[in-house]
Amino acid sequence: DAKTTQPNSMESNEEEPVHLPCNHSTISGTDYIHWYRQLPSQGPEYVIHGLTSNVNNRMASLAIAEDRKSSTLILHRATLRDAAVYYCILRQQITYSGNTGKLIFGQGTTLQVKP
Amino acid sequence: DAGVTQSPTHLIKTRGQQVTLRCSPKSGHDTVSWYQQALGQGPQFIFQYYEEEERQRGNFPDRFSGHQFPNYSSELNVNALLLGDSALYLCASSSFRDRASYEQYFGPGTRLTVT
Repeated sequence: DAKTTQPNSMESNEEEPVHLPCNHSTISGTDYIHWYRQLPSQGPEYVIHGLTSNVNNRMASLAIAEDRKSSTLILHRATLRDAAVYYCILRQQITYSGNTGKLIFGQGTTLQVKP
Repeated sequence: DAGVTQSPTHLIKTRGQQVTLRCSPKSGHDTVSWYQQALGQGPQFIFQYYEEEERQRGNFPDRFSGHQFPNYSSELNVNALLLGDSALYLCASSSFRDRASYEQYFGPGTRLTVT
């Protein structure tokens, strides 16, 4: 299983943008880059995912390097509710032959948001 | 629309005992994955069930077993409990038929304490 590397922790000020980096130098051509976050006392929740192109949704943006060996999750305006552990995950393409798309979590980045 | 539900919320067991945890997937989902999250760590994949069969298994001993019912709900059973089994057990549901969605929806988890 391909691995990801993230900083252990980051700090941000409220209403400022946050860039959460992730390195995944062993990514394979069919691995999708997923981001989940886990708020205190809750299960993880999906944030965003992408394959090659940058992606935007209502929660965040995902910027993927051209060689796909790194990516950055961008929260455009951090709020106190965004304080959580953010996980960068490489997920295999789901197939009938056996790839289940299981999520392999690392340690994640703990994001602190200061008012 | 109810999301993923898990029961019980908390559980205290003694070493050597057996435990059963339950999960009901999000409406419309047919696949259930189980994860174990030790304190301060990211979740670890235990196994996934689809069409009432175990499709893939993580690095967990045979003491961990599961079942999926025709209504897609699932159980996780752990036999001969060890102190190291103390953790938050997370259930995640997804749709294999709608593989393009890729999201896994997590429940709030069951906190198991083994004494």
